[in-house]
Amino acid sequence: GAVVSQHPSWVICKSGTSVKIECRSLDFQATTMFWYRQFPKQSLMLMATSNEGSKATYEQGVEKDKFLINHASLTLSTLTVTSAHPEDSSFYICSARRSNEQFFGPGTRLTVL
Amino acid sequence: GEDVEQSLFLSVREGDSSVINCTYTDSSSTYLYWYKQEPGAGLQLLTYIFSNMDMKQDQRLTVLLNKKDKHLSLRIADTQTGDSAIYFCAESIYDNNDMRFGAGTRLTVKP
Repeated sequence: GAVVSQHPSWVICKSGTSVKIECRSLDFQATTMFWYRQFPKQSLMLMATSNEGSKATYEQGVEKDKFLINHASLTLSTLTVTSAHPEDSSFYICSARRSNEQFFGPGTRLTVL
Repeated sequence: GEDVEQSLFLSVREGDSSVINCTYTDSSSTYLYWYKQEPGAGLQLLTYIFSNMDMKQDQRLTVLLNKKDKHLSLRIADTQTGDSAIYFCAESIYDNNDMRFGAGTRLTVKP
């Protein structure tokens, strides 16, 4: 149990467009999900904590208007990268919390041309 | 901010032991974790250790913690080709709501 999926697994988009990434907990409910990004050869960096039914909590330096997070149900959180630019190209990973453990999705590779 | 550092690559021969090292800077760290990521899959928790422990062993895995030097290591005995993956070190203060990760060490096991 405790499987987390992400969709899409990779996406290429043009600069200026918006991209939505979905994170789903497949076999459990998660009131809390997390969004991370990872640049090549760098650490996973927590972007925001997504709470079901309430606003996300963003880490310092993360633009909330650029990275829109919606956690409308107990099994789905979405991250929308608005007006994407090449510097937003990265690997985005979500996780869902169950009990005292985070279960991670496989990640989404975003490339902005 | 606080950092977690680990070397990016490690290559070993099948049957040898692998040792993956990690250093962290936050002396308040309470929990230290090792995650494994296989291609196309999410990070999976391998093991964790509390900061008041020096060592934890779980089958082929041995975690050593030197709190004074803020150094954590993961030893995999009798490494197999199936152990080839990226291994992430992480630490947190309160619980895993505030984890900080290293960049991951890519372990390659050669037959």
